[in-house]
Amino acid sequence: NSKVIQTPRYLVKGQGQKAKMRCIPEKGHPVVFWYQQNKNNEFKFLINFQNQEVLQQIDMTEKRFSAECPSNSPCSLEIQSSEAGDSALYLCASSLTDSGNTLYFGEGSRLIVV
Amino acid sequence: GDSVTQTEGPVTVSESESLIINCTYSATSIAYPNLFWYVRYPGEGLQLLLKVITAGQKGSSRGFEATYNKETTSFHLQKASVQESDSAVYYCALAPNYGSSGNKLIFGIGTLLSVKP
Repeated sequence: NSKVIQTPRYLVKGQGQKAKMRCIPEKGHPVVFWYQQNKNNEFKFLINFQNQEVLQQIDMTEKRFSAECPSNSPCSLEIQSSEAGDSALYLCASSLTDSGNTLYFGEGSRLIVV
Repeated sequence: GDSVTQTEGPVTVSESESLIINCTYSATSIAYPNLFWYVRYPGEGLQLLLKVITAGQKGSSRGFEATYNKETTSFHLQKASVQESDSAVYYCALAPNYGSSGNKLIFGIGTLLSVKP
């Protein structure tokens, strides 16, 4: 069973609406990743954090996506204005370090934009 | 760029038969990638099946094996005798083994395995 907790499991949003997903990483893991898995099963890295600091993020994330990992609160990924192409499974993963270590994944939040 | 190519599914085998799921990688910007097989069982999150970080080494878990072959850039997943409980989606992945790149995993598109009783 996943020790990385993601909520909600499913969310349905209209185009232009905000969509927010949360993630509680495995205890003691300072590094958190967000991936998007589309309907073709392709994974796309979005952003990662070490503690509260952003390590890397892709251009898409910088424009409509926002994410944070505040101390003592769940991490979150928010899409400011949802588009149909954002429909996907959003996976959160945590790790001990940012180099070569195993990633532990949550079950994902499935976003459907109608 | 860096990529992973694996057997297209679905793959259907009968219980106790042998299995091989092919995985080849291209790591043009990563000198010595770490290689992984992740698995997603029905109703569960993605989880690590096995990992190998040194070329020439073999990883094994739950009866599955994969050998890191740098010459053929392959990391095929094999099992001598599958069980119905092995039915799942299997993902081959690679990642850098140094810190500055942020350990971003690059995944294949997954292979759906169905094991018939």
